[in-house]
Amino acid sequence: KQEVTQIPAALSVPEGENLVLNCSFTDSAIYNLQWFRQDPGKGLTSLLLIQSSQREQTSGRLNASLDKSSGRSTLYIAASQPGDSATYLCAGYSGGYQKVTFGIGTKLQVIP
Amino acid sequence: EAQVTQNPRYLITVTGKKLTVTCSQNMNHEYMSWYRQDPGLGLRQIYYSMNVEVTDKGDVPEGYKVSRKEKRNFPLILESPSPNQTSLYFCASSLYATTNTEAFFGQGTRLTVV
Repeated sequence: KQEVTQIPAALSVPEGENLVLNCSFTDSAIYNLQWFRQDPGKGLTSLLLIQSSQREQTSGRLNASLDKSSGRSTLYIAASQPGDSATYLCAGYSGGYQKVTFGIGTKLQVIP
Repeated sequence: EAQVTQNPRYLITVTGKKLTVTCSQNMNHEYMSWYRQDPGLGLRQIYYSMNVEVTDKGDVPEGYKVSRKEKRNFPLILESPSPNQTSLYFCASSLYATTNTEAFFGQGTRLTVV
């Protein structure tokens, strides 16, 4: 059974700092890894989807990498801003169909 | 606009009173699923559907029912809600059930059962 772990559970950084969020998974047969953002009381917004044939994806200040052999994914946020404050979730896709397993998330606070 | 729409957004109900949470997508997606989100437990899959008339249990299906009579709709039914079903619920859809397709999520339904 796939298990997804996110470390740290919470993170507080000053504005402008570069930061890395970590996600680890137990099933190396994972084929997609997706990062989401969730604002308080809101739904999930997809940030980046790394497909099985890829090792990383970039969107603006965000870069996500996937290393299936080590069971890890990282989300790198460059030059953090207060608007980046949210909970970040990673989700692993595995199984013969779209079985998605979520981590509990990392709550990020960027201090002005 | 491509989206997944859930209704209602907020619901307070009493134990045992049947309720339905609707989910609709306008992207002609084959795959739809329901999740619940609880503090410290993250999102857990309740049920999923790979296409019309094809549904199956996820990780936490007890106390829930679903149906998929049309491609665009995937309602979640609680026949006899209990307080332990108080949670934040999300519906999601994706083009296919298999690889390399992105999941889109609704805005969530916050359910309180008293």
